[in-house]
Amino acid sequence: DVKVTQSSRYLVKRTGEKVFLECVQDMDHENMFWYRQDPGLGLRLIYFSYDVKMKEKGDIPEGYSVSREKKERFSLILESASTNQTSMYLCASRPPAGGRYFGPGTRLTVL
Amino acid sequence: SQQGEEDPQALSIQEGENATMNCSYKTSINNLQWYRQNSGRGLVHLILIRSNEREKHSGRLRVTLDTSKKSSSLLITASRAADTASYFCASTSLSGYALNFGKGTSLLVTP
Repeated sequence: DVKVTQSSRYLVKRTGEKVFLECVQDMDHENMFWYRQDPGLGLRLIYFSYDVKMKEKGDIPEGYSVSREKKERFSLILESASTNQTSMYLCASRPPAGGRYFGPGTRLTVL
Repeated sequence: SQQGEEDPQALSIQEGENATMNCSYKTSINNLQWYRQNSGRGLVHLILIRSNEREKHSGRLRVTLDTSKKSSSLLITASRAADTASYFCASTSLSGYALNFGKGTSLLVTP
């Protein structure tokens, strides 16, 4: 079974803190994605990566950066967390046949 | 960016009944996918239908795709209480990387 894991299920941070969200997949997938999910807005793509050290902006990249130093790991970074970044963050990887395997999500609260 | 839109937003049925959810999208797609999300969890990929396919089955799931109307439907037959979840459609752009999610249909199946 493909496994996509995220470093934390719940996270509480203060405004201005630097936040790292880690995602690891164990199936050698090239493509990985970070989404945020908010009530009434659905899932929105923040960033994706189609290979190591390669990244592309999604629909809402502002306030975020990413890092893909190794194929299995895709990190989302909030340089200076703000309250409007309180959300559920979902990481996903893409198998060659298409579709997405999602991690369990990280619910981030920024106070 | 293109985005799927599910209809209805919420659906409540009794066990044994069929549940039908619809999805519309805006621009040409490579494929369309349906996902399920239990409360507070990550998304689980259910089924993928390619743009040259019209219908696909997987167990109690039946998906149709009408590219002329830019719409898809997900039918769950003989529903069970365990089918209670949110269901999302997601369309893959022609470039193949971006996956654009709708806001979801919340399905409640009561015993």
